[in-house]
Amino acid sequence: NAGVTQTPKFRILKIGQSMTLQCTQDMNHNYMYWYRQDPGMGLKLIYYSVGAGITDKGEVPNGYNVSRSTTEDFPLRLELAAPSQTSVYFCASIKEGISLQPQHFGDGTRLSIL
Amino acid sequence: QKEVEQNSGPLSVPEGAIASLNCTYSDRGSQSFFWYRQYSGKSPELIMFIYSNGDKEDGRFTAQLNKASQYVSLLIRDSQPSDSATYLCAVNRMISNYQLIWGAGTKLIIKP
Repeated sequence: NAGVTQTPKFRILKIGQSMTLQCTQDMNHNYMYWYRQDPGMGLKLIYYSVGAGITDKGEVPNGYNVSRSTTEDFPLRLELAAPSQTSVYFCASIKEGISLQPQHFGDGTRLSIL
Repeated sequence: QKEVEQNSGPLSVPEGAIASLNCTYSDRGSQSFFWYRQYSGKSPELIMFIYSNGDKEDGRFTAQLNKASQYVSLLIRDSQPSDSATYLCAVNRMISNYQLIWGAGTKLIIKP
């Protein structure tokens, strides 16, 4: 099993450009999450999904969009990149919304907006 | 007040000693508490979780929970240089059982 796979690992964008961060999991997990982590900070939830076709906003959703057309995939879209979106982005998943389950993380995408 | 607070450190501990990491949280309804370890440039990995008051031991790691004081800690016995990392405390939100609130993390340095 590959677990949670994120692509790309690194990306540099110019201000105003758009891009999609990809996240795929092969564990048949229902719940998926997108976080951002700024230097020296904890994780901030951007969006999450409890199943295909269902998404909801987290703490810091502005400037991002998501979709969940399949159980496996949960892409994150940046429409108009801004320097404030320079961060490390992590995708995570759990089987169901059971509070005791740990989240499985991808390796992250390091994004710089210049 | 931050929802989950940790001392940012760095916390410097001699090799072989006990490292003590602390976390306080504000949501009294929180039921699940997680400690993750994050090496520089890597993703978080789960060390321990705890949901009942008291201590929970797993090898060299012990998690301690005191819900009345809204306090959770992680003890690392016989600290090794490989334990040097940032330790993140995460707590579930009462209003949304499957969302976690994360502390900013404590940087731990184990000195040989």
